Amino acid sequence: EVQLQESGPGLVKPSQSLSLTCSVTGYSITSNYWGWIRKFPGNKMEWMGYISYSGSTSYNPSLKSRISITRDTSKNQFFLQLNSVTTEDTATYYCARSTRGTVHWFAYWGQGTLVTVSS
Amino acid sequence: EIVLTQSPTTMAASPGEKVTLTCRASSSVSYMHWYQQRSGTSPKLWIYETSKLASGVPNRFSGSGSGTSYSLTINSMETEDAATYYCQQGSSYPPWTFGGGTKLELK
Repeated sequence: EVQLQESGPGLVKPSQSLSLTCSVTGYSITSNYWGWIRKFPGNKMEWMGYISYSGSTSYNPSLKSRISITRDTSKNQFFLQLNSVTTEDTATYYCARSTRGTVHWFAYWGQGTLVTVSS
Repeated sequence: EIVLTQSPTTMAASPGEKVTLTCRASSSVSYMHWYQQRSGTSPKLWIYETSKLASGVPNRFSGSGSGTSYSLTINSMETEDAATYYCQQGSSYPPWTFGGGTKLELK
């Protein structure tokens, strides 16, 4: 069974970097696409980006200058770094697995982790 | 970026009532996917590729649509169906986007 689990600090100060880890069990991250999605207070959801089975990345243009997604295949983990955060980045962050192919949906999700940006 | 607009934003339905949720895209998309999210839990894939039910989804649910207009229908509302439903498009070229959600409550 595929399982994803987010981990990382729940509180980040403005202007600092947000760093999260997604640990995957039951499936290799060298297959499919692995992404980050966040849900803001008020329910808006935003796809942030992905890292593919080959290690290539794609990011939401709204975040492109601040975001980096990397991976450690030996630990079957992938990571999110978001720089220069503001209070607008307060959200619940999810990691998820999407399909491989030309049409993408998210069949597996982590439980989510709330990150608050506040001084 | 393809913007998805869901309607209504909130609605209430009685047990046994037929429910239809709508998702409109700003540009044509090949498929639409739907997620159910209950409070305090992560989203669950509910319908993919417009009309295919995810594993474990009751067959009172159905999905349809094409181009810029898609819908999720519940044939007969049940208590457990109260949740927020999101549509999502995942075309080959990102960014992939979500609708704003429809909160479905039990009347």
